[in-house]
Parts: sequence; structure tokens; C-alpha cells
Amino acid sequence: DTEVTQTPKHLVMGMTNKKSLKCEQHMGHRAMYWYKQKAKKPPELMFVYSYEKLSINESVPSRFSPECPNSSLLNLHLHALQPEDSALYLCASSQVRAFGDTQYFGPGTRLTVL
Amino acid sequence: QKEVEQNSGPLSVPEGAIASLNCTYSDRGSQSFFWYRQYSGKSPELIMFIYSNGDKEDGRFTAQLNKASQYVSLLIRDSQPSDSATYLCAVTDSGGGADGLTFGKGTHLIIQP
Repeated sequence: DTEVTQTPKHLVMGMTNKKSLKCEQHMGHRAMYWYKQKAKKPPELMFVYSYEKLSINESVPSRFSPECPNSSLLNLHLHALQPEDSALYLCASSQVRAFGDTQYFGPGTRLTVL
Repeated sequence: QKEVEQNSGPLSVPEGAIASLNCTYSDRGSQSFFWYRQYSGKSPELIMFIYSNGDKEDGRFTAQLNKASQYVSLLIRDSQPSDSATYLCAVTDSGGGADGLTFGKGTHLIIQP
């Protein structure tokens, strides 16, 4: 089973709202990732959690706040977003291997900021 | 700054023919290489990964890696209309820790029936 789940599938929010995206995996993976994908562009890395600790933060604005409550769950808290933050937000997980550390993606949350 | 280059296409291939997708990368420290397929509006789906020089085959797909030339390719044999999608090449330099993927811009592949 290589399933990563994400909720919600779609989210529309105003610039003053606070919302959260959720991601879950039950594959025993020890790394989880957030990516942002704009239309007709490749995914761009935002954050990496390895063994429940934030290991990579790609200079993402503070209006995006990640949280990893346990090894199976990953949240992305959103606050005071801008319309240009509208995108597909993808969660992924991997085992953490030296070579071929395959990342499996969830279906994504399509976010629209009004 | 790692860079991954792909021809954006579209690459049009007749059904049943071989589709050849290419990718070059800038960082010689890159260790693992991945091909993902992405249908419009969907998330990336892993096709194959490779980390040793040479060829790796899985069904109709063959990945090829040449680290000296910093070149990765994906061959799709007996192409089917369902193979029509964007193919993303991605690299990591993970040496044991979790590392994010750096993606190319993707090649849009069209299989003509």
C-alpha cells in the first residue's frame, strides 16, 4: 500500500482566514514533505520533516506553518494568505533511504485564496 | 542551485512506437533520479527510479542513467494513448537523510492513436 491521503481536496479561503491542510500516511515512512505546485509548473519543495523534526525549510513565508504531530501526520497551517498562494498543495512521504528514497505523493489539496 | 532540464514538448509519438524522454541535471552530487507521470489536475505518480549507471527496466519502461554526462532518460515501449501525460524528471542528493526532490519542468507527451 503506497497511499498518502490529504484533506480537504479543495479549499477556498479569504485572505484573513486561518485554515489547515492535513496529510496522513500509514506506510511507516519517516519523512514527510510539503510541495506547492502552480499551474503548468513543476512541484516546488516547501518543507521536509525527517523523524518528526523539521529538517528543510525552503525560505517559505511565515504565513505557512508546518506541523508534524507524529510520524504519520503532517499539517500545514495557513494564515493571512495572498491570492498568489493559490495552488495545488502536495504532501509526500518516504522511508528515508540512502539511494532511491522514493517519495509517494498524496492527491493534493487545491487551494484558492480570494 | 540544482537545476534539472527537460524539453517541455509537446512530444508527439504514434501509438505502438517508442517514446524517448530526456533530462539533464546540473549537480554532480545528485544521487538518485526519478521519473514521475502527472495527468492534468492529478498528483505525480512514480514511474521508476534509478541510482546506478546503466539501464533499469520495468515492464514497458526503461530508465537510463549516465552520471558522467549528467543525463537521465526514460523510454516507453509500445506507447499507449493512456501514456499521454506530463513526465517529470526529479533528482535528490540524499546521502542517507531525507531530501526534497528537484523537478524539471516536465515533458508533455502525446500518444497519437
